[in-house]
Amino acid sequence: SYVLTQPPSVSVAPGQTARVICGGNNIGTKGVHWYQQKPGQAPVLVVYDNSDRPSRIPERFSGSNSGNTATLTISRVEAGDEADYYCQVWDSTSDHYVFGGGTKVSVL
Amino acid sequence: QVQLQESGPGLLKPSQTLSLTCTVSGGSISGDSHYWNWIRQPAGKGLEWIGRIYTSGSTNNNPSLKSRVTISVDTSKNQFSLKLRSVTAADTAVYYCARDRGTAIMFDAFDIWGHGTLVTVSS
Repeated sequence: SYVLTQPPSVSVAPGQTARVICGGNNIGTKGVHWYQQKPGQAPVLVVYDNSDRPSRIPERFSGSNSGNTATLTISRVEAGDEADYYCQVWDSTSDHYVFGGGTKVSVL
Repeated sequence: QVQLQESGPGLLKPSQTLSLTCTVSGGSISGDSHYWNWIRQPAGKGLEWIGRIYTSGSTNNNPSLKSRVTISVDTSKNQFSLKLRSVTAADTAVYYCARDRGTAIMFDAFDIWGHGTLVTVSS
């Protein structure tokens, strides 16, 4: 089964840039989606298809995907960006979605 | 605006069958080419995709849950449902329903989620 690996945590100062990594074998050949989840709330889609943003999501959120690593980049980080972030792909070998383990972004 | 709401028993005993329903409001469950999904999250842990049903009725399930899962749709009630058989304490989690964006591709993102419902399995 396909495995997505995320670091457990990332810390960043306000106004700086946070990068959340999602590793997977040849993940660059897949479409990666990213979700933000705050405590006690349902996940919210922040990036889909590697680098596209839903209309309600600020331009500060961006994504990229190449080789064995997909990256969610949060520019000019704000306190309200503190949350868990999950990457997601479709595993075509067994026809099911896979989520990464999640990364907690802490704003210092 | 489409909204999703999960409902069902919050407490089960081991070996029972978990039954949850997701009610779709603000739109028709059969109106567009959407996949309707179930996802769960144990307390303090990550997300796990359970399975989905397409507008046509075709389904996909997570192999890790083997044959315990059945997902169905009731278009007359604008609902879709999850049944998970032979539950154990390991099935204790918040269960979410979610809709994909409706581009009809197999690997689309989930743009609308329910608030989630906690299901506890305990004797």
